[in-house]
Amino acid sequence: SQTIHQWPATLVQPVGSPLSLECTVEGTSNPNLYWYRQAAGRGLQLLFYSVGIGQISSEVPQNLSASRPQDRQFILSSKKLLLSDSGFYLCAWSLQGAGNTIYFGEGSWLTVV
Amino acid sequence: AQSVTQLGSHVSVSEGALVLLRCNYSSSVPPYLFWYVQYPNQGLQLLLKYTSAATLVKGINGFEAEFKKSETSFHLTKPSAHMSDAAEYFCAVSASGGSYIPTFGRGTSLIVHP
Repeated sequence: SQTIHQWPATLVQPVGSPLSLECTVEGTSNPNLYWYRQAAGRGLQLLFYSVGIGQISSEVPQNLSASRPQDRQFILSSKKLLLSDSGFYLCAWSLQGAGNTIYFGEGSWLTVV
Repeated sequence: AQSVTQLGSHVSVSEGALVLLRCNYSSSVPPYLFWYVQYPNQGLQLLLKYTSAATLVKGINGFEAEFKKSETSFHLTKPSAHMSDAAEYFCAVSASGGSYIPTFGRGTSLIVHP
């Protein structure tokens, strides 16, 4: 069966510091990968998605970036965090093609102080 | 283009009462529709999914949803609420053509009173 893991689960970072959130998927090949963000009391915001290694699409301009160095690894990064980057970050995956279910990781709480 | 509207950011019910969470969608092509549940500090979990095989879709935990094309709706129901149903619920739509990335609604928080 397929599993998805992301880490760290929680982190507190000062403004201006770098960020790296990692996500890996097991049990499938060539998945679509996604990064979402949930701000407090708000819905899901799609940040990035990837259909293959090195292929990243950005949905929202910001100081975050994403990379997919391996087929089942997705990394969310920032060089300098802002207070507004605080939130709950969710990695997710799906099979390629229309109508496939998106499966979410456990989430990572980021607090920028 | 596709969109989802969830009516009511909060819904409050008594334990044992009917749960009704509303979702209306917009899609220029036949849609795929999803309901997800999110418990505090966790990721989203799929409750059920509509793929055009049947208009009434049964999901986990006693939830079901009915696809009504004429009303462009996909409301989520459960006959009898349980305290453990308290969570955030998200409706999502995915088009069968073009960009297949789902669009999520803003979520509805279900509050269950004893």
